[in-house]
This record gives sequence, C-alpha cells and structure tokens, in this order.
Amino acid sequence: SQQGEEDPQALSIQEGENATMNCSYKTSINNLQWYRQNSGRGLVHLILIRSNEREKHSGRLRVTLDTSKKSSSLLITASRAADTASYFCATDGSGRLAFGKGNQVVVIP
Amino acid sequence: DAGVIQSPRHEVTEMGQEVTLRCKPISGHDYLFWYRQTMMRGLELLIYFNNNVPIDDSGMPEDRFSAKMPNASFSTLKIQPSEPRDSAVYFCASSLQGANEQYFGPGTRLTVT
Repeated sequence: SQQGEEDPQALSIQEGENATMNCSYKTSINNLQWYRQNSGRGLVHLILIRSNEREKHSGRLRVTLDTSKKSSSLLITASRAADTASYFCATDGSGRLAFGKGNQVVVIP
Repeated sequence: DAGVIQSPRHEVTEMGQEVTLRCKPISGHDYLFWYRQTMMRGLELLIYFNNNVPIDDSGMPEDRFSAKMPNASFSTLKIQPSEPRDSAVYFCASSLQGANEQYFGPGTRLTVT
C-alpha cells in the first residue's frame, strides 16, 4: 500500500522564513493531500493536489507534485508562530488515505 | 456546523475492560473514518463507512475491535477486552468525497493500564 514519507522530520525556523517539507510515496496515486496537526488536536486539511496537476497554491501554501519521482513538496512562505505544528502528507490511491509519519515544524517568534 | 464531535475526549481504563468511543460526523457527510495514532505507528486507518455501510475494515487490528454506524449521525468504536497496547489517540473523520478532504474530530486519548 502507499505510504507517504515526509522529509525532513523536524524543522525549526525563524518567523518570516520559508519552510519546505518533502514527501515521497511508492505507488500510483489519485491525489496527494497535506494536513496540519496542532499539538493535542485533530488533523486539518490544507490542500489537495491531483495526480494530473504539478503545482497548486492556497494562500501562503505552495504544493508541487512530481509523479515521475513520486514526490511532493509543501512550501509555507513567510512563516508565522501560528504555523508551528506537525504536517502530514497523505496519498490516495485506492479510496483510502495512507499518511506519512509527519514533519514537526517550529516557528520561532 | 460544530464539526466532527467525539466523546469522550479522554478515557482511562483497566486492562480487560470494555471501551466504547463515539463519533458524530458532520451532517451531510457520507463517509466516516476511524483512525488510530501512536508515536510508533503514526496514523493508521482502522475502518471506514460509506452511507453507514462498512467498506474497508482491513485495518482493524483484531477481533477485539468492532465498529458500527447505526445511522448517518452516529458511529461507535468498541474495544473488548482492552489491552495496554491499545493505548493511543483515536480519531474519527468524515468527508463528502471519500478519501478527499477529510474533517477530523478532536480525538479520544485512550489509556489502558
């Protein structure tokens, strides 16, 4: 089954800097999604990119997808302290999501 | 809408006891998912329903786990008997479009001693 795998595992940046996270997967997908989880809370859907799309934007988020390399990246521009969270990629290839282990991002004010 | 509602938020029980977790999905969402999150295994899909019918329960760890969805607004996940290795955060999520754009509840933190 597919399994998103994020890289790097943990990231610490200064407020205002950009944060980039990568995700790789192993099999074909219908789409790839990114979710955010604040400490002690449920996951929140951020953005979905379909397999026939290469790039997508939503506010300060930019997601790219390279199906030939089976990888995706999430860029958060002009980070804020409120962006401190864990970020998960999830792949959908068969009607169910397979989540990666998550990237922990700490934004220092 | 209040979002996905889960209860209880925290549950502490002794090994061997029955545990029932509850979920109310967002009104109008046809899909409901149960996940388990641990540090070691990450987020795992246990089972999901479409229009109250279980579609895929391949993630249910063993016969001690069972899930029901008697109507469109309520689902339960039951563990009987519970074991310490069941300690985890259990999330319920719902969606309009299958695996796409799932809305998660706040989770139930289960501790089995």
